[in-house]
Parts: sequence; structure tokens; C-alpha cells
Amino acid sequence: GEDVEQSLFLSVREGDSSVINCTYTDSSSTYLYWYKQEPGAGLQLLTYIFSNMDMKQDQRLTVLLNKKDKHLSLRIADTQTGDSAIYFCAEVFSGGYNKLIFGAGTRLAVHP
Amino acid sequence: DTAVSQTPKYLVTQMGNDKSIKCEQNLGHDTMYWYKQDSKKFLKIMFSYNNKELIINETVPNRFSPKSPDKAHLNLHINSLELGDSAVYFCASSQARTGVYGYTFGSGTRLTVV
Repeated sequence: GEDVEQSLFLSVREGDSSVINCTYTDSSSTYLYWYKQEPGAGLQLLTYIFSNMDMKQDQRLTVLLNKKDKHLSLRIADTQTGDSAIYFCAEVFSGGYNKLIFGAGTRLAVHP
Repeated sequence: DTAVSQTPKYLVTQMGNDKSIKCEQNLGHDTMYWYKQDSKKFLKIMFSYNNKELIINETVPNRFSPKSPDKAHLNLHINSLELGDSAVYFCASSQARTGVYGYTFGSGTRLTVV
């Protein structure tokens, strides 16, 4: 079925690392994504990972993929107050026409 | 140089009215989508068009009718608005039907039904 799960809240201190976790259901997903939504704004594509990769690094962002457990994580190094936002995990669900299925979003709060 | 633009940004209307939201993309993408984000921030796909053809039609009341005059435009018309229709509606587009490079989203239309 179509289901992407995330924890709803994460609070970290400025300068620490943040790790946001996600589990997904469609084992045939070829791409998995992380989107960021700031208050009152649309969704911004942060990064994506192809299913034949275990890890992808992009500046402060590190994505880890465990296909066996269908687990995806996003690590933000040196978290800043500007990183405070909702982070959505998403998979392309391949049942019928491909469509992007989102998790409920993790609200990241960064405090001094 | 807005990639995916929606109008209006805010829409406040009374129950029972009919309203439309417009979306345009200048990315040359051939697939467009409508998503609904509820008050708990949960995002759910409503419709998808590929080259003006409806390819995804989720379980959405038939008061919602999408229209795609060409592959750069996807509008959403809502009849007989209800309180439960209040949400943020996002338009998106992708380069291919598979969306392998992710979707590009508009900034959303906040609909409030009173």
C-alpha cells in the first residue's frame, strides 16, 4: 500500500546535527526524496537518492538509504536556525501511474 | 522567473460558492499535479495530467474538476464549496510521468471557506 511514515517533531540545539527518519512501503520505488517547507511557503526539493545508492552527501545534508528495512534518513550537520521547517520524506509510488506520496512531515525546531 | 505559479495566493469565500484556482508552469514539463495540504500539513495528491490527459484521479468529490487547456496550465474548479474544503492547494509539475527528478511546487493557494 501507499504509506510513508515519519516522526512528527524534532528539537535540536543550534550547531548540533539533526537526523530525520522515514520508512516507506513501496519496495519498487526508484527514487526517494526530501522536501523542505518553511512557514507559509511551498515545498522545496532538498535532495533525492536513487534506490541503488546507500548514501548521498550534499554539503551539510547526508541521505542514508537502507533498502532492506525500507528506511530513509536525512542528516543535517551544524543545524542552524534557518533550518527550522517541516521536512517531508516522499517516494514515487509505482502502482498504476507513478505518483509522489508524502509522509506526514517532521517539524524541526532549532533552538539556541 | 517563477517556475510554477498559482493564483490567487489567498482565497476566502462563503459556503456554496464556486471558485477556481489557476496554475501555470514555464519549465517545459509535461506532467502537472494538484495536491491538497490539510491543517495538519498532510499532503495528498488529487489529480495529475500528462500532456492534457488526466492520468491520476484520486478519491476526490466530483465537486472538484481539473482542467488542462495545454500542458503548461492546470486549473482547479471547485463547485458548492464546503467548510471541509478549507486547505492549502499546491500545484506541481514534473519532467516526466515518473517524476524521477522530483516535482516542482508552486507556493500554494490558501483556501478558507466560511
